[in-house]
Amino acid sequence: DQQVKQNSPSLSVQEGRISILNCDYTNSMFDYFLWYKKYPAEGPTFLISISSIKDKNEDGRFTVFLNKSAKHLSLHIVPSQPGDSAVYFCAASARGGSEKLVFGKGTKLTVNP
Amino acid sequence: EPEVTQTPSHQVTQMGQEVILRCVPISNHLYFYWYRQILGQKVEFLVSFYNNEISEKSEIFDDQFSVERPDGSNFTLKIRSTKLEDSAMYFCASSAMTSGYINEQFFGPGTRLTVL
Repeated sequence: DQQVKQNSPSLSVQEGRISILNCDYTNSMFDYFLWYKKYPAEGPTFLISISSIKDKNEDGRFTVFLNKSAKHLSLHIVPSQPGDSAVYFCAASARGGSEKLVFGKGTKLTVNP
Repeated sequence: EPEVTQTPSHQVTQMGQEVILRCVPISNHLYFYWYRQILGQKVEFLVSFYNNEISEKSEIFDDQFSVERPDGSNFTLKIRSTKLEDSAMYFCASSAMTSGYINEQFFGPGTRLTVL
């Protein structure tokens, strides 16, 4: 069941540069998308979300872009900092129906000083 | 800042034993969830709970699993007879509702369950 896919298991960027994490989904019923950050031995920490009525949402260094026609979203982190090094999960739900979050497998981001 | 807490952080049990995992959701949240992550795999939904009843459950959540909100603060997940394949990180989450929509879910730190 690959309704939410993160095809890059890892990404390495230099401090100060942009990190772009990608996510694809297949279920047309999804209308709410979230990004979570996870450090080892901790739970997922909510970062940013976007509703399907928008195509962009920004919060400080984090911006999420949604392309509904391509069923694709991306998380941009600018500028990247070493403390951003973590596993990033994309998640989706159908807010009008099920509340459950469907997660991707995650992308491990390493920001090098 | 309010947070979801979970106890214990690590539980080791023998196959066939019952375990209860405990969670204290954020105090003004009304929606509660359990998820699990088997090592190396995705975070998977188990069950959602609202207004003292299960609102949705996955096919993983079979008769061996149950949830309860025994008082005004705790939310528990019970596994009646643990199997080796129940070994995983179990995450509790909670969320609020505004403007008719359920908001983002906030996760606890997890309980690592090891079944021997």
